[in-house]
Amino acid sequence: KAGVTQTPRYLIKTRGQQVTLSCSPISGHRSVSWYQQTPGQGLQFLFEYFSETQRNKGNFPGRFSGRQFSNSRSEMNVSTLELGDSALYLCASSLQASYNEQFFGPGTRLTVL
Amino acid sequence: DQQVKQNSPSLSVQEGRISILNCDYTNSMFDYFLWYKKYPAEGPTFLISISSIKDKNEDGRFTVFLNKSAKHLSLHIVPSQPGDSAVYFCAASGGSATNKLIFGTGTLLAVQP
Repeated sequence: KAGVTQTPRYLIKTRGQQVTLSCSPISGHRSVSWYQQTPGQGLQFLFEYFSETQRNKGNFPGRFSGRQFSNSRSEMNVSTLELGDSALYLCASSLQASYNEQFFGPGTRLTVL
Repeated sequence: DQQVKQNSPSLSVQEGRISILNCDYTNSMFDYFLWYKKYPAEGPTFLISISSIKDKNEDGRFTVFLNKSAKHLSLHIVPSQPGDSAVYFCAASGGSATNKLIFGTGTLLAVQP
């Protein structure tokens, strides 16, 4: 069974631009979560989707948004990029709605210049 | 406010010996705990989990212990192998309607041959 896939793997943008990252969960998984990893803040929760509904949102500004499609694939968007948005963005999928291990993709490395 | 803490940033162990990684949490609403292993520029790899209704869970060389009264969990790796060298994160989740994970800051484990 294929794992979680994320595209693109690497991305370089400049300040003020916007970016869209994509995540395809493991087949059959309906829960998708996004995390940001930076050296200073560690792994921080961004959003969580289950069956196309956003169930939770982390403490990030409104420039960060996401959605989930009917096939469980998910996208996250960051508008008006700032230098501090440079990070590894990780997507995780899970079979059940809770009390369930999450499986992570390889991440998208975003660099904002 | 760091709700999940890993107070040891690094740990060095000899091959074949036991590695013990510790994690403390402050939120008593957390009821599901997980350990992940991570290499640089990759997504975390799920190792083992434990529900708050248990105090121990084993999977091969990995055992997780949970002490709810002390709000403390630990991961034991026996015997340690050089391939275990990585950053280990503990994570906590709470509630029946979420997969949101709160991560600790990580412990870098180095297993010396």
